[in-house]
Amino acid sequence: EPEVTQTPSHQVTQMGQEVILRCVPISNHLYFYWYRQILGQKVEFLVSFYNNEISEKSEIFDDQFSVERPDGSNFTLKIRSTKLEDSAMYFCASRPPGRINQPQHFGDGTRLSIL
Amino acid sequence: KQEVTQIPAALSVPEGENLVLNCSFTDSAIYNLQWFRQDPGKGLTSLLLIQSSQREQTSGRLNASLDKSSGRSTLYIAASQPGDSATYLCAVRQGSGGGADGLTFGKGTHLIIQP
Repeated sequence: EPEVTQTPSHQVTQMGQEVILRCVPISNHLYFYWYRQILGQKVEFLVSFYNNEISEKSEIFDDQFSVERPDGSNFTLKIRSTKLEDSAMYFCASRPPGRINQPQHFGDGTRLSIL
Repeated sequence: KQEVTQIPAALSVPEGENLVLNCSFTDSAIYNLQWFRQDPGKGLTSLLLIQSSQREQTSGRLNASLDKSSGRSTLYIAASQPGDSATYLCAVRQGSGGGADGLTFGKGTHLIIQP
């Protein structure tokens, strides 16, 4: 069964550094998402992306975050100047085209640790 | 702002029992509700999606119900097995229209099935 794949599985970065998290959505999907889960807390929506632009973003997704689909397969989340509170598990998800009542499919996540 | 609550936070039962996990949400204007399973250190696996016009969905030993007007959903697991041990998450897709479809998650129910 097709899967959403995320790399790396674990990223350790110094505070203030830039980090890029990578995702390969399922090939025929057209809607892409990033979520994060701080340890012990709820999964939180960050951003959704469709037709090469952001379609929705949460209040968490401020100017230090950006997303990009640089080619036909990858979907990336960039954090420009990382802070300690950015430490979390980051999940990428994708959804097939068509009616909105299609489930989102999640990757296994990237654990981001900011030192 | 939509809030999703899951009760209980944790549950431990002997193998073979039938059990019910509860989810409530504060804003009934949803498009759909999705139940996920999360294993430790892994991503989210979609179990069932119920559209706002539906009352229930079934998949194998799992049955999810939705009472949209009262803001409640239940996940029923029949004949539980040790392999069902995981955290179960409930998430709603808000009915805000357009392409926006970020999910709002509950904190989950951590389920342990004792052999």
